[in-house]
Amino acid sequence: GAVVSQHPSRVICKSGTSVKIECRSLDFQATTMFWYRQFPKQSLMLMATSNEGSKATYEQGVEKDKFLINHASLTLSTLTVTSAHPEDSSFYICSASRVAGQYDTQYFGPGTRLTVL
Amino acid sequence: QKEVEQDPGPLSVPEGAIVSLNCTYSNSAFQYFMWYRQYSRKGPELLMYTYSSGNKEDGRFTAQVDKSSKYISLFIRDSQPSDSATYLCAMGKTSYDKVIFGPGTSLSVIP
Repeated sequence: GAVVSQHPSRVICKSGTSVKIECRSLDFQATTMFWYRQFPKQSLMLMATSNEGSKATYEQGVEKDKFLINHASLTLSTLTVTSAHPEDSSFYICSASRVAGQYDTQYFGPGTRLTVL
Repeated sequence: QKEVEQDPGPLSVPEGAIVSLNCTYSNSAFQYFMWYRQYSRKGPELLMYTYSSGNKEDGRFTAQVDKSSKYISLFIRDSQPSDSATYLCAMGKTSYDKVIFGPGTSLSVIP
């Protein structure tokens, strides 16, 4: 159990367009979902934390108007990269925390590779 | 000082060797500790996680946590070429809080 999926797995877009990435918890309900970004040869950096039904909390230096996060249900969170530019090209990874699991862990999706031309 | 520090390597070992990967951290509020393996261009794969000080074993992997020293380790016994990957330590306060990742250690196991 505890499977998290992401869609799409890979996307290539032109500069200036918007891209939506979905993160789904397939077999559990997630009160909290997290969005991370990973540049080549670097570690994962948290971008924002989203709780179902409320506004996301963004890490310092992450533009909330550029990276729109919606956590509409206990199984789905979306990240929209608006007006994407080449410097937004990265590996975007989500994770989800189960509702009932104080001593549980977060479960990560397989990631979405975004390339902005 | 970074919250989580990890030797980036690269680390190269012969097949069958015991591998030791380590991280140190500065935030005493961290209560749970994880190790992830990441192959090139793939998402991180959870290997182990623990909330306790001491050792936790799973197959060829042993995670060790020393909260008093703020030091965690991952040991890989009988290392295999398929273990060649980047290993990331990560830690947090609870599973509901953000996770802080170390920079990762690149491991190569040579046949």
